[in-house]
Amino acid sequence: SAVISQKPSRDICQRGTSLTIQCQVDSQVTMMFWYRQQPGQSLTLIATANQGSEATYESGFVIDKFPISRPNLTFSTLTVSNMSPEDSSIYLCSVLNRGSGNTIYFGEGSWLTVV
Amino acid sequence: DAKTTQPNSMESNEEEPVHLPCNHSTISGTDYIHWYRQLPSQGPEYVIHGLTSNVNNRMASLAIAEDRKSSTLILHRATLRDAAVYYCILRYSGNTPLVFGKGTRLSVIA
Repeated sequence: SAVISQKPSRDICQRGTSLTIQCQVDSQVTMMFWYRQQPGQSLTLIATANQGSEATYESGFVIDKFPISRPNLTFSTLTVSNMSPEDSSIYLCSVLNRGSGNTIYFGEGSWLTVV
Repeated sequence: DAKTTQPNSMESNEEEPVHLPCNHSTISGTDYIHWYRQLPSQGPEYVIHGLTSNVNNRMASLAIAEDRKSSTLILHRATLRDAAVYYCILRYSGNTPLVFGKGTRLSVIA
C-alpha cells in the first residue's frame, strides 16, 4: 500500500484568498489524482498529475482556479485560488501504486471551509 | 465510462452477513470491477476488485455474475466499523483514475 499525508487536514479560509494543499507519499508513484468532495456528495475528479508533465484537468475544472504542481514522484500540491463559499469541500489526494497491482490509495483529505 | 447502479442505502444487523449489489449492464470486457468504501471523515479505502472470477480477501468477498453485468460485495460478518459508503466502480485500465458514483450507504445496527 501507500501512505499518503495531506496538509492541512482542515482549514477555515477567507473569501478571495488562495490555499495550497500538500500531498506527500511514502513511495515513488507515477500517477497522482486530485478529487473534490462537496458536502454530502460523492467524489469528483479534478485532475490527474503526472511527474514531468502538465496536469490534465477534467471538464469543469481549470488550471487558473486549481493550479497543480508535481515536482517529483512523491509530492504534489493543489492550490484553490480566489476561494468562494462554493469551494468549501474536502479535497483528496490519491495515488496509483503499481507495486500493489495498480491499486489507487487515498489520503485522509483536506477539509476547507470558506467564509 | 460504463456506469454502475447501486441502492442508495442498506441496513444490516451487527455480526450478520451483508450483500451489497451493483449493476453494471454496459460493462466492457476489459473493465475491472472495483469496490471502495469511505468511512465517516476519512478518505476512500480500497476493498477488493476482480475481473471475471469471484475474489476473496481479508476484508470481503466479491461475487461476479457469469455475464458480468452485476456483482455483489459480501461482508461476511458486519461490524459497527463497517458502516460506510460503499462504491462500486468500473475501471478499464490500470492507468486510469477512479470515477465515483453515489455509492450505497451501509448502516450497521448493534
